[in-house]
Amino acid sequence: NAGVTQTPKFQVLKTGQSMTLQCAQDMNHNSMYWYRQDPGMGLRLIYYSASEGTTDKGEVPNGYNVSRLNKREFSLRLESAAPSQTSVYFCASSEGQLGSPLHFGNGTRLTVT
Amino acid sequence: GQQVMQIPQYQHVQEGEDFTTYCNSSTTLSNIQWYKQRPGGHPVFLIQLVKSGEVKKQKRLTFQFGEAKKNSSLHITATQTTDVGTYFCAGLSFSKAAGNKLTFGGGTRVLVKP
Repeated sequence: NAGVTQTPKFQVLKTGQSMTLQCAQDMNHNSMYWYRQDPGMGLRLIYYSASEGTTDKGEVPNGYNVSRLNKREFSLRLESAAPSQTSVYFCASSEGQLGSPLHFGNGTRLTVT
Repeated sequence: GQQVMQIPQYQHVQEGEDFTTYCNSSTTLSNIQWYKQRPGGHPVFLIQLVKSGEVKKQKRLTFQFGEAKKNSSLHITATQTTDVGTYFCAGLSFSKAAGNKLTFGGGTRVLVKP
């Protein structure tokens, strides 16, 4: 039982490049989330998906897009990376709606130069 | 908007001593969750408190939810080196405008001196 799996673990991009962060969970959870973590700022919600086929903006959605491909997979896309998007990105899932305990993946450390 | 503040930001603790970290919300919360993140790791869910004044214990960790449901605390007794990490609280609030919102505090980073 792998839980929440994120790829890649590390990524370096140049300003303006695009990339997609992949996330998959095998716990049959309904809700999935993308957070970013910056020093001293806790975790901030980028987007979440309460169920397959639905997505909603979180606290900091600008510059990102998401796709809930199926119940297992939730991807995060940066269309044109900016240095301000340098961060650690965590995917998470929960059995219930927002407010249910979160299960996090191992994170992706992204640097944009 | 809703704000969740954690104090202290850093906590240096001598091994074997007790300490407490606090979480304060600007709005009344539906529930509060606590997570632990080891250095280089990912946040791991510890506990969820729902009721006013609720107290829950996990071995040496005691979690409390305030009577007004606007603050919470985590108390660790007899600190061990395995307690090293950052402890985050996350408060769930509801508003008609925004619906449910889970806001994380900035975390308390705990360092243990052997």
